Amino acid sequence: GENVEQHPSTLSVQEGDSAVIKCTYSDSASNYFPWYKQELGKRPQLIIDIRSNVGEKKDQRIAVTLNKTAKHFSLHITETQPEDSAVYFCAADRPQGGKLIFGQGTELSVKP
Amino acid sequence: NAGVMQNPRHLVRRRGQEARLRCSPMKGHSHVYWYRQLPEEGLKFMVYLQKENIIDESGMPKERFSAEFPKEGPSILRIQQVVRGDSAAYFCASSLSLAANTGELFFGEGSRLTVL
Repeated sequence: GENVEQHPSTLSVQEGDSAVIKCTYSDSASNYFPWYKQELGKRPQLIIDIRSNVGEKKDQRIAVTLNKTAKHFSLHITETQPEDSAVYFCAADRPQGGKLIFGQGTELSVKP
Repeated sequence: NAGVMQNPRHLVRRRGQEARLRCSPMKGHSHVYWYRQLPEEGLKFMVYLQKENIIDESGMPKERFSAEFPKEGPSILRIQQVVRGDSAAYFCASSLSLAANTGELFFGEGSRLTVL
């Protein structure tokens, strides 16, 4: 079936701490895993993505890891800042059909 | 290059009325996706269209909902005889090619439907 599970649903950290959000997927044929950030009342925007031919990707304070064997991938944000506060969505592609299936979202709150 | 444009941004309808949501993809994008977001929930896939074709409508309710992406003009998501449970934010996204091939889906700002 089509399923992407995301945890936790809410996450509160102190400014400067790290935040980790985890996702699992069910379709072993998936090979593209993006992460989107959605600020309150705004559109979701891509922040980082990873493909199945790599295990880790980093962009400044944001990194994503992928374990294809276990079918899970994670978002890591280091040195969190208040402006990182938002809802974060993971997603996995459905190669047959081309759509993205999204996780339930994680509401991240970074306290100054 | 304008982004994905959705209108209206906000729409209020009474039960039983029709709602029409429009989406103009980014210039050059031929793939359009509609997602529904309920309050404090994730993005639920509804339908994927290419010009004049529905590729995947597995997430769209069989009754009252329809979508099109004509050769000319925007993609339209149509909800007939709306009920309170249809109240949600409807997001449109477009991509240059299949999401898995070229990556990014570009989202519009969403249309927020309220059914009274």
